[in-house]
Amino acid sequence: QKEVEQNSGPLSVPEGAIASLNCTYSDRGSQSFFWYRQYSGKSPELIMSIYSNGDKEDGRFTAQLNKASQYVSLLIRDSQPSDSATYLCAVNIRGGGADGLTFGKGTHLIIQP
Amino acid sequence: KAGVTQTPRYLIKTRGQQVTLSCSPISGHRSVSWYQQTPGQGLQFLFEYFSETQRNKGNFPGRFSGRQFSNSRSEMNVSTLELGDSALYLCASSLTPRTGGNSNQPQHFGDGTRLSIL
Repeated sequence: QKEVEQNSGPLSVPEGAIASLNCTYSDRGSQSFFWYRQYSGKSPELIMSIYSNGDKEDGRFTAQLNKASQYVSLLIRDSQPSDSATYLCAVNIRGGGADGLTFGKGTHLIIQP
Repeated sequence: KAGVTQTPRYLIKTRGQQVTLSCSPISGHRSVSWYQQTPGQGLQFLFEYFSETQRNKGNFPGRFSGRQFSNSRSEMNVSTLELGDSALYLCASSLTPRTGGNSNQPQHFGDGTRLSIL
């Protein structure tokens, strides 16, 4: 079974701290990785994409990819209450019954003022 | 550039009825995927259309069907509605197909249609 796994949380982080969200995936050959943010009652919004090992920074967000460990993470620096949302990890999984872009169930992040 | 447009935003139906949801992708996007989202199950893939052809289908009963038109707009139909079909239905578009190996294009979501079955 090709999968994308995330800790559902909730993950509670104080305002101003670094929030660290993690995701593991089962397909060693995956090449494309995305992070989406979803506010309650809203649709997912793409916030980061990463394709190569290492770090990719965009403002307060940093995506980290380690293909050897099949692990992708999202760091949010200087966390703000407006960052409180569910964060979905998406990985392009090859093969299997419904292959393609596969989403984890998301991590619920709470930033405490 | 206009985003993905889904209509209607909200629907209330009763058991046994059928419903049709519509999705207009971002201009130039030929891939349209449909997802069902419920609190307990997360985002579950329904099916994907690319160039008017269904490329892949998730693990849903045949009551769920879809199609894509030549202008890339897509419709999803659910027949004989059940209480368990109450969910947020999301449409996502992308330049390249969702499936097929190493697509590096992300999907962009519409605001969704919230379907409630009474």
